[in-house]
Amino acid sequence: LAKTTQPISMDSYEGQEVNITCSHNNIATNDYITWYQQFPSQGPRFIIQGYKTKVTNEVASLFIPADRKSSTLSLPRVSLSDTAVYYCLVGDEGNTGFQKLVFGTGTRLLVSP
Amino acid sequence: NAGVTQTPKFRVLKTGQSMTLLCAQDMNHEYMYWYRQDPGMGLRLIHYSVGEGTTAKGEVPDGYNVSRLKKQNFLLGLESAAPSQTSVYFCASRSGGRPAYEQYFGPGTRLTVT
Repeated sequence: LAKTTQPISMDSYEGQEVNITCSHNNIATNDYITWYQQFPSQGPRFIIQGYKTKVTNEVASLFIPADRKSSTLSLPRVSLSDTAVYYCLVGDEGNTGFQKLVFGTGTRLLVSP
Repeated sequence: NAGVTQTPKFRVLKTGQSMTLLCAQDMNHEYMYWYRQDPGMGLRLIHYSVGEGTTAKGEVPDGYNVSRLKKQNFLLGLESAAPSQTSVYFCASRSGGRPAYEQYFGPGTRLTVT
């Protein structure tokens, strides 16, 4: 599994756009990039996944450059409820059954009024 | 549709005691996982199951046993609890028809071993 590097923490204010970048220099050809969100005292929640270019859903956008050595999770107009830890994961989506998620320490996002 | 539920939510054990954590999912998912999360650390996989009647070891299986007698339930057992097993335990499940990284997590069980 490719090693990922994220900022330990970020601060923002309500209504701002937040971009969290993850570095994964050793990403393999078959690897996908996945982001999870975890609120205090809750289990992680799947946010978004992508392979290349841009993916958007109702929660966030994921930007992946052509070399795929990094990715950026974009949260539009954050609110206080977006305060959480965000994890970037990289790995092969091969459906072998054994697909553990390797969570690093994540990025702690604090949104203030 | 309750998703993934875990029982109990909190538990305090004395060293040497045993207990079973229950995970239940109502999404008809084939795969189920048990993770532990220690303060300031990411999740580590304890055991997992790829279907009813199957189990396999993850990266930190020592001191734990699991069973999956029914597709919707995945049990995690601690035979003789140790303080090192103080942690938050998360269960997760996923569908074989969805991306392998799209796992659904339960709310967690906070276990303290004294």
